[in-house]
Amino acid sequence: EDQVTQSPEALRLQEGESSSLNCSYTVSGLRGLFWYRQDPGKGPEFLFTLYSAGEEKEKERLKATLTKKESFLHITAPKPEDSATYLCAVQRMDSSYKLIFGSGTRLLVRP
Amino acid sequence: GAGVSQSPSNKVTEKGKDVELRCDPISGHTALYWYRQSLGQGLEFLIYFQGNSAPDKSGLPSDRFSAERTGGSVSTLTIQRTQQEDSAVYLCASSPPGSTEAFFGQGTRLTVV
Repeated sequence: EDQVTQSPEALRLQEGESSSLNCSYTVSGLRGLFWYRQDPGKGPEFLFTLYSAGEEKEKERLKATLTKKESFLHITAPKPEDSATYLCAVQRMDSSYKLIFGSGTRLLVRP
Repeated sequence: GAGVSQSPSNKVTEKGKDVELRCDPISGHTALYWYRQSLGQGLEFLIYFQGNSAPDKSGLPSDRFSAERTGGSVSTLTIQRTQQEDSAVYLCASSPPGSTEAFFGQGTRLTVV
């Protein structure tokens, strides 16, 4: 059965304290792994898509990496405005549309 | 440009009533999806449209749930005889042709009392 597990459930950081969020997945044939950011009361906002093991993508203070079993979202020198819930989702090879989401990591960055 | 628009933003309804949730996707996006987000849980896939047809309805939880899309644009998700367990945020997303990147709306928060 396809499964996406994110850890930790919640993370508190001081401004400038770098850390990583984990997304472990089990899927029969990975088409892509997606990271989204979700602010309270809003819909998820697309961040990255990773397609193959070893791939890395960066955007500002965020860097996403992918292995055959998991993905990491590294946050370098975070700022309070990075506080949000970060969602990971996978897409199976036999589906070009359906996303299977994890439960998310709630990140709070304190000034 | 305009993003995915959903209405209403919030809906409180009595148990047993029918509700309609509306989604207006980004212009030119051919794919449209509905997801449900319950408190403390991940997003759950409900239905996928390509144009006006729905090749995948596998995520609809029961026959009380239905959805349609007209003119390759606006979609309506209808829940009949609402139950308390239907309370959740219903999210709509759309994708442009040839892309798997989904752009989400802000959601409709449904509360069944």
